[in-house]
Amino acid sequence: DTEVTQTPKHLVMGMTNKKSLKCEQHMGHRAMYWYKQKAKKPPELMFVYSYEKLSINESVPSRFSPECPNSSLLNLHLHALQPEDSALYLCASSRLDRGGNQPQHFGDGTRLSIL
Amino acid sequence: DQQVKQNSPSLSVQEGRISILNCDYTNSMFDYFLWYKKYPAEGPTFLISISSIKDKNEDGRFTVFLNKSAKHLSLHIVPSQPGDSAVYFCAASRARGNTGKLIFGQGTTLQVKP
Repeated sequence: DTEVTQTPKHLVMGMTNKKSLKCEQHMGHRAMYWYKQKAKKPPELMFVYSYEKLSINESVPSRFSPECPNSSLLNLHLHALQPEDSALYLCASSRLDRGGNQPQHFGDGTRLSIL
Repeated sequence: DQQVKQNSPSLSVQEGRISILNCDYTNSMFDYFLWYKKYPAEGPTFLISISSIKDKNEDGRFTVFLNKSAKHLSLHIVPSQPGDSAVYFCAASRARGNTGKLIFGQGTTLQVKP
């Protein structure tokens, strides 16, 4: 069982739809992350939130819009996606400390298919 | 430019023997390294990590070795079990920058045969 919960597990949407991916953790972690993973490839970082503030945006297209409403929740709002955006979207969380040596813990992901 | 490389796409070992997975990196600024295991239809599961001030870290059957001069790390699994069959990713970060940005290798698929 993962302590990072992602919903939905699967999502099929058209290019004109608006949908949201949700991520929740109750480990008290103050850093949360969104990754994208294509088939046979490693996860690639999209966004990092530290203390509920966006700290890293890896030049992600604006059709992906992250939101961190509180320290336990992370959303990824999707609009006007392209077929090449079909992928596994992973959420992760970690503690924050000055040393920075804290592992990230991942959810099981949302499998997104764009028609 | 691939900063973290796992040059072996796959590895097959017999149950009970040692599995050795390798990882190389190019960025000398990396100071924190992790290994993750991934089963199909699941997210990566954290296994073990090591900071650059150490050259070895051990947790049960899993040991990670870091050779900073060679920019190389390895994961040893002893003894290997069929349940260890999965994709293994190494990852690296600049922990001191505390950005949280992990760079992953391409992964190595481990098969442990009964």
